[in-house]
Amino acid sequence: KAGVTQTPRYLIKTRGQQVTLSCSPISGHRSVSWYQQTPGQGLQFLFEYFSETQRNKGNFPGRFSGRQFSNSRSEMNVSTLELGDSALYLCASSLEWAALMNTEAFFGQGTRLTVV
Amino acid sequence: AQSVTQLGSHVSVSEGALVLLRCNYSSSVPPYLFWYVQYPNQGLQLLLKYTSAATLVKGINGFEAEFKKSETSFHLTKPSAHMSDAAEYFCAVSGLNAGGTSYGKLTFGQGTILTVHP
Repeated sequence: KAGVTQTPRYLIKTRGQQVTLSCSPISGHRSVSWYQQTPGQGLQFLFEYFSETQRNKGNFPGRFSGRQFSNSRSEMNVSTLELGDSALYLCASSLEWAALMNTEAFFGQGTRLTVV
Repeated sequence: AQSVTQLGSHVSVSEGALVLLRCNYSSSVPPYLFWYVQYPNQGLQLLLKYTSAATLVKGINGFEAEFKKSETSFHLTKPSAHMSDAAEYFCAVSGLNAGGTSYGKLTFGQGTILTVHP
């Protein structure tokens, strides 16, 4: 069974530009979460989508947004890029996080974004 | 709110020696706890998880962790380190919101880089 696929793997953008990252979850998984990983701040939760609805959001500015499609694929968008947005962006998919937490998060390999 | 503290950003052991990576958590609700491993330029792989069943949890690659509520700890151990264990390890916590769901948010510790010497 295919794992979580993130595209592209590497990206270089200029300050002020916008970027869209894509995540295809494991087949059958309906929950997709996004995390930002930087050397200084570590792993930080961005947001989580389930059935095309954002259910939870981390403490990031409005420049960070996301969406989920009916096939559970998700995209995240960062507008007006800043140098500090350079990071590894990780996507995780799960069957369902609610209730008994009998599931787990499966992570993709990430997209390495460099802002110059 | 939940938080995680990993004691020691770097741990170095000899091959064959005991591995002990420390994790303490803070949670206002019963926590669900996880250990993940990350190899260079890779995503995170789940080693093991605690979800209120047995307090001693066995994971992949010979790792195990013990949940100690009284100490709010969830330390990761492996009896004998292997060169292939060299990686960064993350402890994470997820708890239930007031509505009874956690909505997929993991709170991670800062990570511990494990180095294994021959």
